[in-house]
Amino acid sequence: GENVEQHPSTLSVQEGDSAVIKCTYSDSASNYFPWYKQELGKGPQLIIDIRSNVGEKKDQRIAVTLNKTAKHFSLHITETQPEDSAVYFCAASPRWAKLQFGAGTQVVVTP
Amino acid sequence: DAGVIQSPRHEVTEMGQEVTLRCKPISGHNSLFWYRQTMMRGLELLIYFNNNVPIDDSGMPEDRFSAKMPNASFSTLKIQPSEPRDSAVYFCASSGLAGVNFYEQYFGPGTRLTVT
Repeated sequence: GENVEQHPSTLSVQEGDSAVIKCTYSDSASNYFPWYKQELGKGPQLIIDIRSNVGEKKDQRIAVTLNKTAKHFSLHITETQPEDSAVYFCAASPRWAKLQFGAGTQVVVTP
Repeated sequence: DAGVIQSPRHEVTEMGQEVTLRCKPISGHNSLFWYRQTMMRGLELLIYFNNNVPIDDSGMPEDRFSAKMPNASFSTLKIQPSEPRDSAVYFCASSGLAGVNFYEQYFGPGTRLTVT
C-alpha cells in the first residue's frame, strides 16, 4: 500500500521566516495530496491541497509544490506568524477517497 | 453550516466496558471516515462509508470494533469490550459528492477516549 514519509518531525522558525515541510510517497497511482493543520485539542483542518495535474498551488502565505516524477511534495509557509504554530500533516490518496497520512511535523514559530 | 459533530468529546471508561462514539457528518456529504490518532501510530483510517455503505474496513483493528451508519446523518463506532490500548483520539471526517471537492475530507473535533 501507500507509504508517506514526512520530514522534519519538528521545525522551529523565527517569526517572519519561511518554513518548508517535505513529504515523499511510494504509490505512483496517488493523485491527490492534501495538507492538514492540527492545533492542540482540535481536529485536523484542511489548509491546502493539490492534484496530480498541477505542479504548484498558492493560497496567501502557503503554497504546495508537487513533483510526480520524484514522488515528493512540499508545503511552504512564508512570513510565519505565531498562529502558524501547530502540527502539520501531509497525505496522499492512492485511490478513491482513501488518505494515507504522514507522521506529522511540529512547527514552532518563536516571536 | 455546522461542521462535523462528534460526541462525546471525552470518554473515560474501565476496561471491559462498552464504548460508543457518535458522529454527525456535514449535511450533504455522502462519505464518512473514522480515524484513530495515537502518538505511536499517528492517524490511522479505521473504516469508511459511502452512501451509508461500508466500503473498506481493513483498518478496523479487531472484532471488538464495529461501525454503523444507519442513515446519511449519523454514524457510530463501538468498542466492546474496551481495553487500555484502545485509548486514543478518535476522529470522524466527511467528504462531499463527486466533483471538484470530492476528495476534501473535513474532520470533527474528535473524541478523546481513555480506558483504565
